[in-house]
Amino acid sequence: KQEVTQIPAALSVPEGENLVLNCSFTDSAIYNLQWFRQDPGKGLTSLLLIQSSQREQTSGRLNASLDKSSGRSTLYIAASQPGDSATYLCAVGKNDYKLSFGAGTTVTVRA
Amino acid sequence: AAGVIQSPRHLIKEKRETATLKCYPIPRHDTVYWYQQGPGQDPQFLISFYEKMQSDKGSIPDRFSAQQFSDYHSELNMSSLELGDSALYFCASSWGTSGGLSYEQYFGPGTRLTVT
Repeated sequence: KQEVTQIPAALSVPEGENLVLNCSFTDSAIYNLQWFRQDPGKGLTSLLLIQSSQREQTSGRLNASLDKSSGRSTLYIAASQPGDSATYLCAVGKNDYKLSFGAGTTVTVRA
Repeated sequence: AAGVIQSPRHLIKEKRETATLKCYPIPRHDTVYWYQQGPGQDPQFLISFYEKMQSDKGSIPDRFSAQQFSDYHSELNMSSLELGDSALYFCASSWGTSGGLSYEQYFGPGTRLTVT
């Protein structure tokens, strides 16, 4: 059974600092990995998708890396803004269709 | 761009009642997934459909059933509701999973079910 762990569980930084969110998974036989953002009580917004053959993906201030062999992914958010405050979820996809989610990292960016 | 549509957005039911949640995937997406997110928890996979056939099943109670229709929309039917069924239910869709290559899942806004 795929176990997905996200560290830290919560993070508070001043505006302008770079954010580093970590995700680890136990079964390296994955097909892809997605990073999501969730605002309180709201839906999931897909941020980045990394296929298993890729090592990183970038979108604006976001960059996600994937090291499949060590079972790790890292989401970097550059020059954080108060609007980046949310919970960030990492989810791993295998060939059985479903995504296995981590518990998320709750980020607070202080103005 | 069209997104995944879920209805209703909010639903309040009493114990032992039934509920039906609907999901309309992004046009041309042929795979639908259902997830349940309890308060303070991460989303848990319930069930998925590919081309109207059940493709995978997770921790879905026997009281729940689901199907995907010819127009690719999906419905999650929940009977004999319990207090513990109160959660946010997400539907996601993607374009195909042929050859084992899984594509990006796009999530709907969720249906918040409250069982009293």
